[in-house]
Amino acid sequence: DSGVTQTPKHLITATGQRVTLRCSPRSGDLSVYWYQQSLDQGLQFLIQYYNGEERAKGNILERFSAQQFPDLHSELNLSSLELGDSALYFCASSENFYNEQFFGPGTRLTVL
Amino acid sequence: AQSVSQHNHHVILSEAASLELGCNYSYGGTVNLFWYVQYPGQHLQLLLKYFSGDPLVKGIKGFEAEFIKSKFSFNLRKPSVQWSDTAEYFCAVASPDSNYQLIWGAGTKLIIKP
Repeated sequence: DSGVTQTPKHLITATGQRVTLRCSPRSGDLSVYWYQQSLDQGLQFLIQYYNGEERAKGNILERFSAQQFPDLHSELNLSSLELGDSALYFCASSENFYNEQFFGPGTRLTVL
Repeated sequence: AQSVSQHNHHVILSEAASLELGCNYSYGGTVNLFWYVQYPGQHLQLLLKYFSGDPLVKGIKGFEAEFIKSKFSFNLRKPSVQWSDTAEYFCAVASPDSNYQLIWGAGTKLIIKP
């Protein structure tokens, strides 16, 4: 158990819908990262927040957005969902932006 | 742009064989280096890391990695693999020039035959 929690574990929804994934970092970690992992694209970095501010953006689609709240938990919002958005979405956290990242168990999103 | 190469996408070994997975990166300055493992159906876990000091780093589960600055490499090794080492292995590199953003390798899928 890494100490990073993610909810829900599984999510099944339809195309065109919007979902919110939630992540709680390890206690004391200020940085939160979101990743997408799929069979065809592998592990893709989406976005990073550090102490409430966006710090880095990766391959995040415009239909996706995220935020980190004052209590440091983070949410990833995925809208206008497409079949190709079906994937595992991992959240990771780190104490600082240069330390190792600790990964949560992931949310498996299935878009039908 | 900085990049990380893991040359072997798939590796198949028998139990008790020795393992070496290659990782090369493109950046020549100060780097932080990581190996992560993802067991089937699970999340990524840190195997080992290198920030500074002894270039031979020991991690969990008998894994080690050697940082060779002149070769821009951080290869992962294990002298004798077990069936339970079947997993995907990811190398990642961060540097001040990338704002410490982790650059990930594509991963190596390791299958150990019992």
